[in-house]
Amino acid sequence: QLQLQESGPGLVKPSETLSLTCTVSGGSISSSTYYWGWIRQPPGKGLEWIGSIYYSGGTYYNPSLKSRVTISVDTSKNQLSLKLISVTAADTAVYYCARHRARGLNMMLVYFDAWGQGTLVTVSS
Amino acid sequence: QSALTQPASVSGSPGQSITISCTGTSSDVGGYDYVSWYQQHPGKAPKLMIFDVNNRPSGVSARFSGSKSGSTASLTISGLQAEDEATYYCSSYASSSTLFGGGTKLTVL
Repeated sequence: QLQLQESGPGLVKPSETLSLTCTVSGGSISSSTYYWGWIRQPPGKGLEWIGSIYYSGGTYYNPSLKSRVTISVDTSKNQLSLKLISVTAADTAVYYCARHRARGLNMMLVYFDAWGQGTLVTVSS
Repeated sequence: QSALTQPASVSGSPGQSITISCTGTSSDVGGYDYVSWYQQHPGKAPKLMIFDVNNRPSGVSARFSGSKSGSTASLTISGLQAEDEATYYCSSYASSSTLFGGGTKLTVL
C-alpha cells in the first residue's frame, strides 16, 4: 500500500528557507503516469497547490509561488523535497505531499489520489 | 489564476441529498473534463472522492456522484449520513496548473 510521509522542521524563522522532504514507500516514485506534488493549507483555510515534479525532474509550479519555490526529486531514496525561500507568517500552514495523476501525451496533471498525513510548519521568530 | 468558487457551507438531514457547486471559467472547469473532489475531516488529509468529473475511486460509496455543466461542476451526496460531515474541495486542471476551490463545509443536521 502506497504511503507518503512528510518530514522537516516544524518552526522556521521569517526570511529563512522552509525545507521539507516526502518519503514514498510501498511504490516507486519513478512511475510513468504520476507526478508528485506539494499542497499546503493555512490553519482554518483552504488548499493551495504549490507545485509538482516528475521522476525525471520536470516541474510545474503555482505561478503565485514560482519565484520562491524549488521542488526536487531523489529517485534513489524514493523522496521528493520542497524548498520555499524568504518565508513570512503567511507561509504558516500544514504542508502535504501527494501523488499527482498525469494524463495524455502532454502529461496534464488531473488529480491527487494518495496523500501524506501532512506536517505543520509555523513561521515565527 | 483565481481559486474556484464554492459555497462556504451547506447542510442537510440524514437520508437527504445535497449538491455542492464549483464554478470556474472556460480556462479550467469549462475547458477540461478534469474536475476532482476531495473530502477532508478535521485534522485529516484530504481524500479523493471523484475524479475526471464523474468517476469514483475504488472504495468510495456510490452515494457520491459528480457532474459538470459549462464552467460549473457539482458534487451530489445522496442518502446523507453523519460520517459525511466534512469539508469538500473541488479542483480542476488549468493549463499546466492546478486550482482548488475554497471549500464547502457540509453539516449533517
